Amino acid sequence: QSALTQPASVSGSPGQSITISCTETSSDVGGHNYVSWYQQHPGKAPQLIIYDVINRPSGVSYRFSGSKSGNTASLTISGLQAEDEADYYCSSSTSSSTVIFGGGTKLTVL
Amino acid sequence: QLQLQESGPGRVKPSETLSLTCTVSGDYISSSSCYWGWIRQPPGRGLEWIGSIYYTGTTHYNPSLKSRVSTSVDTSKNLFSLKLNSVTAADTAVYYCARHNTKWEVRAGFDIWGQGTVVTVSS
Repeated sequence: QSALTQPASVSGSPGQSITISCTETSSDVGGHNYVSWYQQHPGKAPQLIIYDVINRPSGVSYRFSGSKSGNTASLTISGLQAEDEADYYCSSSTSSSTVIFGGGTKLTVL
Repeated sequence: QLQLQESGPGRVKPSETLSLTCTVSGDYISSSSCYWGWIRQPPGRGLEWIGSIYYTGTTHYNPSLKSRVSTSVDTSKNLFSLKLNSVTAADTAVYYCARHNTKWEVRAGFDIWGQGTVVTVSS
């Protein structure tokens, strides 16, 4: 059981916006801004889409945005497109500088 | 353009040691000032961080794997390596190497990933 909890699945129709949550369930996690989000298509390596809670790497669509409130980080995808269908993972770190991943969320574009 | 490439045996026998190498091209491990990490993904499951290493040899490991894991860096060959001993079927996974995206910070996200290599533990 990961110390980062994500919904197993979310879905949305093209053009809509969806939000995926990532909740820190351990007091040992968080207390910093090193929250990242990854997109992974089947058979492919994960791709960093958000780092340091809110930042987008160069080349990542503006439709992806990150935020954090309290112990929950969120990834929002606006203007949903068919190509956004993928698995999404959040990651953070513990107080002892170990990296943890959330369990992953499968996004289905209806 | 920075690229990472994993290499190693695709099959390892139970109780033996899994050994993988990640060759870095397009930048020098010793001058990047970033940590370099290993992540794995069992079939049909999520991502699991294994550990990360700095070019000086400083390491951080997943506590659940720490007793079986070791990593090393070879700056002369511009690569870093993973060893996981006493493997079982539960260690069957796609293994990725990746770079942390912030200098000196192991808590940072992974911005560059290798394509991954499948390792099966089976006799």
